[in-house]
Amino acid sequence: AQSVTQLGSHVSVSEGALVLLRCNYSSSVPPYLFWYVQYPNQGLQLLLKYTSAATLVKGINGFEAEFKKSETSFHLTKPSAHMSDAAEYFCAVSEPAGGSGGSNYKLTFGKGTLLTVNP
Amino acid sequence: GAVVSQHPSRVICKSGTSVKIECRSLDFQATTMFWYRQFPKKSLMLMATSNEGSKATYEQGVEKDKFLINHASLTLSTLTVTSAHPEDSSFYICSAARKGYNEQFFGPGTRLTVL
Repeated sequence: AQSVTQLGSHVSVSEGALVLLRCNYSSSVPPYLFWYVQYPNQGLQLLLKYTSAATLVKGINGFEAEFKKSETSFHLTKPSAHMSDAAEYFCAVSEPAGGSGGSNYKLTFGKGTLLTVNP
Repeated sequence: GAVVSQHPSRVICKSGTSVKIECRSLDFQATTMFWYRQFPKKSLMLMATSNEGSKATYEQGVEKDKFLINHASLTLSTLTVTSAHPEDSSFYICSAARKGYNEQFFGPGTRLTVL
């Protein structure tokens, strides 16, 4: 079974500072990896995804993540934090969902990291 | 594109009643839909996976008679919480995916409160 570990349940940065959210995964097959953001009482929005192409993945809102196989990591970064970046961030790994007629993938999520941005 | 809606966004019900939550893919055909449950300040827990026209596949520990899932069309899946109790209070989120694609598109969630 695949799993995801997000180091740090809460990260606090100053506005304009570097954002670094850590994610490590375990997988017996080449993984697909995702970062999602969730604002209070809302669903999840995809920030970026790695699907075995370029190891440095650029996403929306200035975020990017680098897939490092040797470290089994997929850390999320942003050079300069904005107040609007304050939210919960989830790292996820996908595996085939199976089931009849299904060729889709189900996601296993990390426990999430709450990012707060201080003025 | 790839918009998923959920209805209702919030529901409050009395203990013992049943509640139905709808999940719709508005601009694409979703061969697979997923239902998640999220407790306060917790991660998402996958409850079940449903493929259009097939029975849902439930994750270990999820009561299939308690949480009835129907995926009757390529754009609609429903989750019915039967005989709801206060411990069923939670945030329920659905997602939808197209066949062969590994990306899921998430709905905005439904806040269920059982009194």
